[in-house]
Parts: sequence; structure tokens; C-alpha cells
Amino acid sequence: GAGVSQTPSNKVTEKGKYVELRCDPISGHTALYWYRQSLGQGPEFLIYFQGTGAADDSGLPNDRFFAVRPEGSVSTLKIQRTERGDSAVYLCASSVIGREMEQFFGPGTRLTVL
Amino acid sequence: GQSLEQPSEVTAVEGAIVQINCTYQTSGFYGLSWYQQHDGGAPTFLSYNALDGLEETGRFSSFLSRSDSYGYLLLQELQMKDSASYFCAVRDNQGGKLIFGQGTELSVKP
Repeated sequence: GAGVSQTPSNKVTEKGKYVELRCDPISGHTALYWYRQSLGQGPEFLIYFQGTGAADDSGLPNDRFFAVRPEGSVSTLKIQRTERGDSAVYLCASSVIGREMEQFFGPGTRLTVL
Repeated sequence: GQSLEQPSEVTAVEGAIVQINCTYQTSGFYGLSWYQQHDGGAPTFLSYNALDGLEETGRFSSFLSRSDSYGYLLLQELQMKDSASYFCAVRDNQGGKLIFGQGTELSVKP
């Protein structure tokens, strides 16, 4: 079956613009996660969904970041007023509930803010 | 604060055995996972320990000692394709949040 997919694979934007990053989890995976990864670092947790609701959004760095998962499947990470420091690879992962230690990651979206 | 410490780089030769250590300091502990990431690729799950002891999955094994806040990943019969970054990650609550270490870059030489 298909793995986790993310679009776009690359996004270049200008400082101050708004961006949306999309994630399609593995079918049947109720849990969905967003992380971001800078060069040479490990993934940094942003937010975790169980079904449609955000179960833990403690990793969102500020109120410019927001994520939704309206139907419990596809999720969109939204970043307002982008800053150069937002440049990173944004990773999405999904898992079965009860096996949160085994997360399946997508290929990521590389965001570059000029 | 919450932190995971692992060596930044390890080098080994084909066919050898290598151990990558991870020590952690987190507010809670619900398990230690290991992930592999090739350059430009996505992290892929390797192994998971919730209880003390050794878990074996083919050429990869993972060990956990909760009393020492310590774990390691053991890779046997190293192959060139094992050259990658390896991350330990702690689940610090009953949710799905994983806290990752900074990664260990493994280079396997012929």
C-alpha cells in the first residue's frame, strides 16, 4: 500500500508570505504527527492529531503556525507571515493508535523562506 | 529540560559490529525508539524498547536500561548501505510526541 505522502516536495516563498503544507497519511492510521527538521538535527515535534482533534500542539513555536485535520485523514500545516527561521524540512508521520513508537514518515516538504 | 545525548559520528568497517549509545533526560518515559535516515530520505523505524532488556530484529538489536536512562542500538554484520544517520527518540507521555536526539552519523568503510 501507499506510504505517507507530502506535497509540495519543495516550497520557496518570500518572507511574510503564507504557506500551506499537505500530508496524506497511510490509510487507516488514526494518529498523525508533524515535525520539522533542520540540517544536522533530529526531527522536532510540532503537533499530534488523534482523529480530527489536535491531541498535543505543544511543539508549535508560536501562533503563526496552525494545523488542521478536518476529516481525520489529510492534514494541512499552515504558516502565516513566514520568517527566514522557518526554513526547514517539514515532516509528517502517521501511526496506528497504540503503536505510537512506530511512526511512518513521509518524504517531507523542504521549505525555503527568502 | 529534556535532552537526549548520542555521539555525533561513528565509523566502522564492513562486516563489523557497531554500538550507538543514547542517554536521555526527559520529564516522562514511555519508551525508546530508534530511527534510520539516509541522506535526503525520510526517517524509518528500526526498533522500540518500552521495558528493560534487549530487542532483536534481524541484524539490528536495541537495548534499554530505564534505571540508567540509557539505551543503545547494535548493528551487526555491517553493510555499506547501513551508512546513514541514526536517531534515538523518547516518547515522554501517553500521547504520540517523540523527542529525538541529534543523531549519529554512521559511516561504513570497505
